[in-house]
Amino acid sequence: AQSVAQPEDQVNVAEGNPLTVKCTYSVSGNPYLFWYVQYPNRGLQFLLKYITGDNLVKGSYGFEAEFNKSQTSFHLKKPSALVSDSALYFCAVSPRMDSSYKLIFGSGTRLLVRP
Amino acid sequence: ETGVTQTPRHLVMGMTNKKSLKCEQHLGHNAMYWYKQSAKKPLELMFVYSLEERVENNSVPSRFSPECPNSSHLFLHLHTLQPEDSALYLCAGEGVRDEQYFGPGTRLTVT
Repeated sequence: AQSVAQPEDQVNVAEGNPLTVKCTYSVSGNPYLFWYVQYPNRGLQFLLKYITGDNLVKGSYGFEAEFNKSQTSFHLKKPSALVSDSALYFCAVSPRMDSSYKLIFGSGTRLLVRP
Repeated sequence: ETGVTQTPRHLVMGMTNKKSLKCEQHLGHNAMYWYKQSAKKPLELMFVYSLEERVENNSVPSRFSPECPNSSHLFLHLHTLQPEDSALYLCAGEGVRDEQYFGPGTRLTVT
């Protein structure tokens, strides 16, 4: 079955330190990969996506993600965390196998950045 | 701002009520989605409309009834809901390369 795993319910990091939010997927073929962020009482906001090409993708707010095909991972990273980065982060995959319009979402990781 | 709006933002309804959620977008998205977000659970895809035609119904109970009268509007009609239907309901429009743009959601409480 196709799935997306975010193994950490919560990630804690001090402001100024680098952060990583992990995502692995189980989807055959060459899926598109996404990260979304959700702030309290808001909908999801698109951060970045990987379609093809360079394995390091740069997105909004200084975030980047590294695609690793052999490990089927797409970890979200930022060199220096801000308190304002505290939010809920979702990894998502578009299987692209047929005409399905589905995005498969992970369960989310809450990022808490301490001052 | 994602260009996708949802109304109302908050809704409290009894189990015997009928209400509707509204989603509006003017970004030219051809596909629109309804998701349910419950605490500590992955987003659940409910319905997908493409070019105003329903293309996906993800085993959603019939007490949820979607409607897409045109490419800019999407509704979710609710009737005889259960308390476990309380959740955040998110609408999204699809841009290029499968990007989805989400509205702020409607926080629904069923009493």
